Amino acid sequence: EAGVAQSPRYKIIEKRQSVAFWCNPISGHATLYWYQQILGQGPKLLIQFQNNGVVDDSQLPKDRFSAERLKGVDSTLKIQPAKLEDSAVYLCASSPQAGTSEKLFFGSGTQLSVL
Amino acid sequence: DQQVKQNSPSLSVQEGRISILNCDYTNSMFDYFLWYKKYPAEGPTFLISISSIKDKNEDGRFTVFLNKSAKHLSLHIVPSQPGDSAVYFCAASVSGGYQKVTFGIGTKLQVIP
Repeated sequence: EAGVAQSPRYKIIEKRQSVAFWCNPISGHATLYWYQQILGQGPKLLIQFQNNGVVDDSQLPKDRFSAERLKGVDSTLKIQPAKLEDSAVYLCASSPQAGTSEKLFFGSGTQLSVL
Repeated sequence: DQQVKQNSPSLSVQEGRISILNCDYTNSMFDYFLWYKKYPAEGPTFLISISSIKDKNEDGRFTVFLNKSAKHLSLHIVPSQPGDSAVYFCAASVSGGYQKVTFGIGTKLQVIP
């Protein structure tokens, strides 16, 4: 079974530039999550999709961050414009179905450095 | 407001000994708890979980204990092996509805050969 795929692996940009991350969850997984992990901290949920609908985006900085999940499969997370404090690892995770205490399966993450 | 707390940022243990990683939570609505293990440059991987209806769950060398009255859980690794060296995240959620998993900041475990 293929795992959660993320790209790019690393990204370096200057502040005020734009950046996009891509995630392909495990086939058949209904729920997709984007987490932000700042160095020395635990992963923080940015947005959660159930199929192609958003069920939680309460911690997403909506003035600069946006995310979509096309056709309930792949997802992209965009930052525009980036700030220095956005430097972090962006983790995508998926689970078969929300609400059943299923464990999350994580991708390897995208490490973003904003200079 | 940190709802899941891991107060020990690091832990060093000799190979063969027991490793005990601790976690406290403040949200009494949490009823499902998980431990994840993370190696450098990789995403976290699920290790073991426990429901609030239990006070212990065992999987090979890994055992998680839950003390609901104290809002405390711990992960025991016996015996510890060098390959266990990683960052361990405690996580918690409220089952039912759209599960939101909240993570602690992690404890870095080093197992010394």
